[in-house]
Amino acid sequence: DTAVSQTPKYLVTQMGNDKSIKCEQNLGHDTMYWYKQDSKKFLKIMFSYNNKELIINETVPNRFSPKSPDKAHLNLHINSLELGDSAVYFCASSQVIPSGGVREGEQYFGPGTRLTVT
Amino acid sequence: AQKITQTQPGMFVQEKEAVTLDCTYDTSDPSYGLFWYKQPSSGEMIFLIYQGSYDQQNATEGRYSLNFQKARKSANLVISASQLGDSAMYFCAMRERLYNFNKFYFGSGTKLNVKP
Repeated sequence: DTAVSQTPKYLVTQMGNDKSIKCEQNLGHDTMYWYKQDSKKFLKIMFSYNNKELIINETVPNRFSPKSPDKAHLNLHINSLELGDSAVYFCASSQVIPSGGVREGEQYFGPGTRLTVT
Repeated sequence: AQKITQTQPGMFVQEKEAVTLDCTYDTSDPSYGLFWYKQPSSGEMIFLIYQGSYDQQNATEGRYSLNFQKARKSANLVISASQLGDSAMYFCAMRERLYNFNKFYFGSGTKLNVKP
């Protein structure tokens, strides 16, 4: 049973188009994240949502708009795609465990969406 | 200052030998956590090992161990008896607790190549 799923896995599109990537987690976590991994493999946080509220927006262009319809879903919509948007986008989720313990707050990652803008 | 620093962009190791991947971190959160992830060429992020800031002992998971030196703020990953399948990118990450959610920071990664 997949913990964090993303669709689509691959996305090839032309500059100027608008596209969406969907993410769903079935772990009951309160917090979800979007990361961008560029061609040099650097993983950069884009957004973080906690209980459907935007918590972190790491100076991402406003062409990127996340939407969280409920705790289990965090979608990423990208307007007017540019060549520099080509990357792998990862969704992840985690949960605060007040008592701490083993692997407290571990992030669970989706399989990634490879976006290619031509 | 960088929150997570991995100073080795690439490493080579002979099969069956041990290898240490370096990671240093910077935080003022007393309740932080440290993680290592493996990313093979297939692209998925695979959790390897976790160390909590209050853990007294170094974490171990099979062939993986974390050399946690709190005073030096280092959390090096040690892979014993390297296998060809260990060739991958390795990311060190840190979790800070901010009120009721977690924020994560990732290092730039180390690409490990295991030679036969």
